[in-house]
Amino acid sequence: DAGVIQSPRHEVTEMGQEVTLRCKPISGHNSLFWYRQTMMRGLELLIYFNNNVPIDDSGMPEDRFSAKMPNASFSTLKIQPSEPRDSAVYFCASSRNEQFFGPGTRLTVL
Amino acid sequence: AQSVTQLGSHVSVSEGALVLLRCNYSSSVPPYLFWYVQYPNQGLQLLLKYTSAATLVKGINGFEAEFKKSETSFHLTKPSAHMSDAAEYFCAVSFSSGSARQLTFGSGTQLTVLP
Repeated sequence: DAGVIQSPRHEVTEMGQEVTLRCKPISGHNSLFWYRQTMMRGLELLIYFNNNVPIDDSGMPEDRFSAKMPNASFSTLKIQPSEPRDSAVYFCASSRNEQFFGPGTRLTVL
Repeated sequence: AQSVTQLGSHVSVSEGALVLLRCNYSSSVPPYLFWYVQYPNQGLQLLLKYTSAATLVKGINGFEAEFKKSETSFHLTKPSAHMSDAAEYFCAVSFSSGSARQLTFGSGTQLTVLP
């Protein structure tokens, strides 16, 4: 199994641009989680899905953030418009029992 | 609300020395407890988990942790540190089972191994 796949691994963009982060969970896992990691705030849960349905999005910081899971093998996290304070590493994790994390996307907003 | 506290944001040990990373949780009911490790520029990897079976849990890479209900602790230990153990370690807690369980993570402990 290839594990959780995230793309891109690095993203540099300018303030105001739209950013889309992608995640392919492990096959057979029915839950998917999006996290954000920063030095100041540590690891924060943004949103999670169960069987492709968003269960809890209370961690999404603002309306500029949105996430979708159109099918069991794909999810996106979108930021529109992006701001410098969104710079962080964004992780996707999938779970059938324990959570398995992807390698992360390092986002830099200039 | 459930929470987990990791004492010591940075721990340094000499190669071959005992590793002890501390984790305490706050809860009135026994939780599920986890330790994850994060190597530089990588995602988190599960080291071990406690799910109310044996109180002493063995994980990968020679690590183990002991659940102590009376102390609300789940400290991570390894008898002899290797240079390859240098990483950041996260303790996490959950109060539900199944695939959709949410984890609450501690703030992490950066482990440095000195030659």
